[in-house]
Formats: sequence, C-alpha cells, structure tokens
Amino acid sequence: NAGVTQTPKFQVLKTGQSMTLQCAQDMNHEYMSWYRQDPGMGLRLIHYSVGAGITDQGEVPNGYNVSRSTTEDFPLRLLSAAPSQTSVYFCASSNGLAVTDTQYFGPGTRLTVL
Amino acid sequence: GNSVTQMEGPVTLSEEAFLTINCTYTATGYPSLFWYVQYPGEGLQLLLKATKADDKGSNKGFEATYRKETTSFHLEKGSVQVSDSAVYFCALTRLQAGTALIFGKGTTLSVSS
Repeated sequence: NAGVTQTPKFQVLKTGQSMTLQCAQDMNHEYMSWYRQDPGMGLRLIHYSVGAGITDQGEVPNGYNVSRSTTEDFPLRLLSAAPSQTSVYFCASSNGLAVTDTQYFGPGTRLTVL
Repeated sequence: GNSVTQMEGPVTLSEEAFLTINCTYTATGYPSLFWYVQYPGEGLQLLLKATKADDKGSNKGFEATYRKETTSFHLEKGSVQVSDSAVYFCALTRLQAGTALIFGKGTTLSVSS
C-alpha cells in the first residue's frame, strides 16, 4: 500500500511552459485535493474532487487545471507557468466526505518557475 | 468563513522542555480540528485530531483539546525531544469543499540537546 504518491519530486520550468503534476492513491479514496505551500502562508487549496468525473475550485485555482477520470489519479496541469507558481505542491486524499475524515498527504513536488 | 490563527515561530526549546503551540479558530457550524506535522523534506502527517467540542486528541505524547468556549485547539507536549523538530500546522475543515482543510501558517519547532 503506497498511499499517496506524487511525481516528479522536483521540477524546474521556464515561464510559459506547461506541465502536469501527477498524483495517485491506492487506497480507493473518493476525495482528492491539491494544495500549494508557500513560505509563511500555510497550505492553500487549489482544486478538489469528490469522485471520478467531479472537480471543483478551491481558493487559488487560477492558472491550474484538473481532471479526474479515475478514482486513483488526480493530475494537476499548469497551463502556462508563471514565477508566481513557484511553490511546493501537495496532493491529498481522504477516505470519506465527512468533516471528521482525515486527509492523507503525498510527499510533495517542489516546482521552480524561472 | 472559517479561519485559523496559530502562533508564529520559530519556537526554540531544549530537550525535555514543555511545549505549547497556540491555535485559535473562527468557524461556523461544527468543524473538525487537526494538527499536522511536517518533518524536514517530507509531506504532512496527521498528528492528532478532534471532531467535537471537548474532545482531546493525542498521539506520540502530544495533546490538544477542542475548546469551543475559547475557540482554541492548543498543542501541548510535556517533554520534547530533538526528533520533534518540525513544522506544526493547525487546521480545520471547510464548510464547503468536502473534507478540504484550512491551514494555519505553521509553527517551526527546533529542539536542541
């Protein structure tokens, strides 16, 4: 049971490039989400999904796209990278949709946009 | 909307000292409260949680009690170790967005021997 996995661990992009951050979980969790972590800001929600085929925006969705075609995978796409998107990105999943359920986090992807 | 405020760090302690990291929240409804820990170079791990008022979460010697009257969820440990050095995040559930969390800014704890 690998839990939540993310690839790549590190990535450097040039302004304007696009890329996809991968996230997968093998726990059959319905709920998945993406956060970004910036110094002094805590973690902020980018997008989330309550099940395959269903996605919605969090508090900082601009510049990012998501889709959820399977329960296991929830990729995050950067359409045209900007230096403001330099951050550490965490994917998380939850074993339920109740507010009492725990989120499990992946190890993160550190992205630098030059 | 819901929000979390936690004490700014860094917090520097000697081994075996008592630890308190303050966390207060504003919320409507009945959110759950969490403490997550992030060790250097790693992702976030759940440390403990409480799902209703007066619940006490505990794990690895850490404790926090969900206080509705003071809207607080302070993290405490009686005797810290060097291995407790990490960043600690207080969080609560959003009302919308399923089980997504609202995080505090994090408190860095450094414990020296």
